[in-house]
Amino acid sequence: GPKVLQIPSHQIIDMGQMVTLNCDPVSNHLYFYWYKQILGQQMEFLVNFYNGKVMEKSKLFKDQFSVERPDGSYFTLKIQPTALEDSAVYFCASSLAGGDTLYFGAGTRLSVL
Amino acid sequence: GDSVTQTEGQVALSEEDFLTIHCNYSASGYPALFWYVQYPGEGPQFLFRASRDKEKGSSRGFEATYNKEATSFHLQKASVQESDSAVYYCALRPNTGANTGKLTFGHGTILRVHP
Repeated sequence: GPKVLQIPSHQIIDMGQMVTLNCDPVSNHLYFYWYKQILGQQMEFLVNFYNGKVMEKSKLFKDQFSVERPDGSYFTLKIQPTALEDSAVYFCASSLAGGDTLYFGAGTRLSVL
Repeated sequence: GDSVTQTEGQVALSEEDFLTIHCNYSASGYPALFWYVQYPGEGPQFLFRASRDKEKGSSRGFEATYNKEATSFHLQKASVQESDSAVYYCALRPNTGANTGKLTFGHGTILRVHP
């Protein structure tokens, strides 16, 4: 089936540093999402992105977070600066339309020390 | 706000056993309900969905029926296999008309099937 690729699979950084998580969505998909899963908790919606704009974001999407997809390349989540509570697995997803099935990547495990 | 509750955190079965994973939701109106499955090292995969009361979703021998009165969408399979071992997530998407694709997930249920 369609694949969403996330790079890297694991990222370790020091608190206060900047980190960029990369997502290669399904090629013809138009809607992109980030979800966050803290260990032992459920996946929670962060943000969705369409036509170059953030459509909706949750309260977890702090001011330190930003997303973009320059020129149809990777869909990225940038955190600057990082905090200890940002440690989690971040899942990227994409869909063809807003109400369609979401296809998820395998996640990036972010460890902030 | 919307919420999804999965009663079982872990389920251990033997092959050919009957599976039930309970899912209850809290949301207004008629949200779309989903089951996703996550195998080790992979992201969640869409299993199936239902959007209306009494609608049954099914895939790969798994099924669940939308029950508006009970606010439930319990996952069942008549005869599990070792390859079904995975984490199962129940999720909902509010029926706001905006179709933003925002999902609310349950905590997930770890299913272990022993040969």
